[in-house]
Amino acid sequence: GQNIDQPTEMTATEGAIVQINCTYQTSGFNGLFWYQQHAGEAPTFLSYNVLDGLEEKGRFSSFLSRSKGYSYLLLKELQMKDSASYLCAVSTTGGGNKLTFGTGTQLKVEL
Amino acid sequence: GAVVSQHPSRVICKSGTSVKIECRSLDFQATTMFWYRQFPKQSLMLMATSNEGSKATYEQGVEKDKFLINHASLTLSTLTVTSAHPEDSSFYICSVVGRGPDTQYFGPGTRLTVL
Repeated sequence: GQNIDQPTEMTATEGAIVQINCTYQTSGFNGLFWYQQHAGEAPTFLSYNVLDGLEEKGRFSSFLSRSKGYSYLLLKELQMKDSASYLCAVSTTGGGNKLTFGTGTQLKVEL
Repeated sequence: GAVVSQHPSRVICKSGTSVKIECRSLDFQATTMFWYRQFPKQSLMLMATSNEGSKATYEQGVEKDKFLINHASLTLSTLTVTSAHPEDSSFYICSVVGRGPDTQYFGPGTRLTVL
């Protein structure tokens, strides 16, 4: 089976930097995704990592270490609109493009 | 990416009735679509994989006779919740595998409330 762990909640200050961690245990790892989901809305794609290292995309960056089964999402220059749930998801070989989602991290950005 | 729509966005029905939810891929021909369910403050749980022109593949614990999936074309998949009960009240979301490797793009979701 697969096991994906994320912190349940985090709070950060507007303008600051926050790092959301995700650890996973799976066989046949084939990539890790981060999605953002605002309350009552569908998830939107943020990033995809399949190789070790950091992928930067504007204010958001995502890091992957396959050997450690670890990823993080880094959000810089936080804005109030970044308050949302951040979902870590893993795809596996032979899974037919299926994703297994973590429980999500609810981020609250405060003034 | 891919643009995905769902209809209806919100539906309220009586217990025992059936509800059909449509998922459309607007700019991409999707041989595979996924159906998820999300309860409040929980993550997405995959219900089934919808395959164009063939039977859907259901995840363990999901009743295929209760959640009927039809993927009749490359742009449309439907999920019918049959004989709905209050415990079926949830947020139902579909997704399409887009042009990126394995990347799924989600529809806006359908909020189902069964009275």
